Amino acid sequence: EIVLTQSPATLSVSPGERATLSCRASQSLSSNLAWYQQKPGQAPRLLIYGASTRATGIPARFSGSGSGTEFTLTISSLQSEDFAVYYCQQYDNWPLFGQGTKLDIK
Amino acid sequence: EVYLEEFGGGLVQPGGSLRLSCAASGFTVSSNYMSWVRQAPGKGLEWVSVIYPGGSMFHTDSVKGRFTVSRDNSKNTLYLQMNSLKVEDTAVYYCARDTIIAGSDYWGQGALVTVSS
Repeated sequence: EIVLTQSPATLSVSPGERATLSCRASQSLSSNLAWYQQKPGQAPRLLIYGASTRATGIPARFSGSGSGTEFTLTISSLQSEDFAVYYCQQYDNWPLFGQGTKLDIK
Repeated sequence: EVYLEEFGGGLVQPGGSLRLSCAASGFTVSSNYMSWVRQAPGKGLEWVSVIYPGGSMFHTDSVKGRFTVSRDNSKNTLYLQMNSLKVEDTAVYYCARDTIIAGSDYWGQGALVTVSS
């Protein structure tokens, strides 16, 4: 059974700085890796799919990279609206989520 | 425009039953992979169930034999029948459209299910 491990659990970053979030898989994945943003009281929102393709309407400051067992979400210059919880998901079969990274304002 | 809206959440006693509905618009439920994903209070996302366009259904181990996903093509609606509910099933339940290429691209706003005596 595949396990997705996200790190760090909490990341404190100042507005305008870069944030790098990690998602590690217990075994090699295809490129069917997605990233979601979730704000309190809201449903998750798709940011990145296929490991590196931005979903419709997602700003260019969000980028995804990686392959195999190591995947990264980078937010190049944090805006106030970016502070949220981020989840990675593999969708090779049915969906499997990582445990999430909370992005806090420093 | 694609839209998903869940109905049917509420408070139920342990051992009870509840059926969630997810009304879709802007696309055809029966032509898509449709999932239920839940989120316990203060916790992360957990996939629960999926129904394929061909009708195959799969459930996570913790709900097998208790939950059943289904759909009504005439109503373009997805359902989750939840029986023998446990306290640990307490969560916000989201329906989502799944795609082979882009993961879960549309989500409903969620329905809160509370299992408590």
